[in-house]
Amino acid sequence: AQKITQTQPGMFVQEKEAVTLDCTYDTSDQSYGLFWYKQPSSGEMIFLIYQGSYDEQNATEGRYSLNFQKARKSANLVISASQLGDSAMYFCAMREGPAGGTSYGKLTFGQGTILTVHP
Amino acid sequence: KAGVTQTPRYLIKTRGQQVTLSCSPISGHRSVSWYQQTPGQGLQFLFEYFSETQRNKGNFPGRFSGRQFSNSRSEMNVSTLELGDSALYLCASSLRYSSYEQYFGPGTRLTVT
Repeated sequence: AQKITQTQPGMFVQEKEAVTLDCTYDTSDQSYGLFWYKQPSSGEMIFLIYQGSYDEQNATEGRYSLNFQKARKSANLVISASQLGDSAMYFCAMREGPAGGTSYGKLTFGQGTILTVHP
Repeated sequence: KAGVTQTPRYLIKTRGQQVTLSCSPISGHRSVSWYQQTPGQGLQFLFEYFSETQRNKGNFPGRFSGRQFSNSRSEMNVSTLELGDSALYLCASSLRYSSYEQYFGPGTRLTVT
């Protein structure tokens, strides 16, 4: 069963505007981590932001923030003040299980959302 | 500090051949994970190594194998290549086995003809 769902294959945003990329997840674990990665056309995956399942506050990293709604099992990425360089594929990912558990290092990814920033 | 490096960056092989890909983690990182990315299946976890031991494995056939050396460098091997093995193979390193941040390399793009 797919555990990470990104329902937006593509998104368009005007430069300097904010954009929200959707991500919903499914897990029966109480302890898990949620991640967002950016993948430019070069192929390298760039870590953007992390939210732990027990974190009470939404994670923020510069222009990136994660809107974590645990009851709804959603972890949407918000990019404020979009820049042309933000155009890329964005992946939501989840790591299940407690720290040190056998599945801890494994990331499960969504299908990705292609973001295009227009000048 | 140098990032994760992967060699080679591009590779073209013929069906039935075997291939070895290499990954050097960030200095001091001891955990290395491998992922396969294809347009159809997306990103899928292959395996993870820590302290020269495979800690976790994804749902891939036995043709896919890997190992980790004492300096934390890792290699993955694919034997008897099939057309469907054409993909971008990404390696990620993290400081410890339980670290939440994984830093990815640029990937090796393998084409099987």
